[in-house]
Amino acid sequence: NAGVTQTPKFQVLKTGQSMTLQCAQDMNHEYMSWYRQDPGMGLRLIHYSVGAGITDQGEVPNGYNVSRSTTEDFPLRLLSAAPSQTSVYFCASSSLAGGTGELFFGEGSRLTVL
Amino acid sequence: AQSVSQHNHHVILSEAASLELGCNYSYGGTVNLFWYVQYPGQHLQLLLKYFSGDPLVKGIKGFEAEFIKSKFSFNLRKPSVQWSDTAEYFCAVNAWGQNFVFGPGTRLSVLP
Repeated sequence: NAGVTQTPKFQVLKTGQSMTLQCAQDMNHEYMSWYRQDPGMGLRLIHYSVGAGITDQGEVPNGYNVSRSTTEDFPLRLLSAAPSQTSVYFCASSSLAGGTGELFFGEGSRLTVL
Repeated sequence: AQSVSQHNHHVILSEAASLELGCNYSYGGTVNLFWYVQYPGQHLQLLLKYFSGDPLVKGIKGFEAEFIKSKFSFNLRKPSVQWSDTAEYFCAVNAWGQNFVFGPGTRLSVLP
């Protein structure tokens, strides 16, 4: 059982470049989300989705785009990378049944923007 | 809006010492409470969770947490830490139908 899979694990970009972080889960979870982790700031929610075709903004959505065409996949797109987007990104998923599901996290993607 | 605060940014303990990490949240309704652990270079893993019932919950690796509703607190405890407990610990809250909110994290360093 793979759980939540993120790729790539590491990426270096130049300012202005675009890229997509991939996230896939095989647990049939309705809820998927992207967080960024910065020192001393915990995890901040970027975007989330409660099902295929439904996405919404989190706390820090600017500069990021998402889509949810299938239950399994939830890619995060950086439209024009900026140094402020240097961070570790985590994808997480959860079952919404009963509203008490825990979050399952991917391994993380470390992004450096030069 | 919900928020979560964690009392300590960095805690340094010797092996066998007891641990208590503080967590307070602000939300007036019914919440679910979680503690996650992140070992160096790894992703977040669930330590324990509280949904309802007994306010003292036990998790993996000897950790436990107590929910005190009147204090809006969910403190994490372990009677005797090990070097392998060195990690960052995150408290998180969510209410039904709402997103998770994480605290800023507490870094625990256990000296051998």
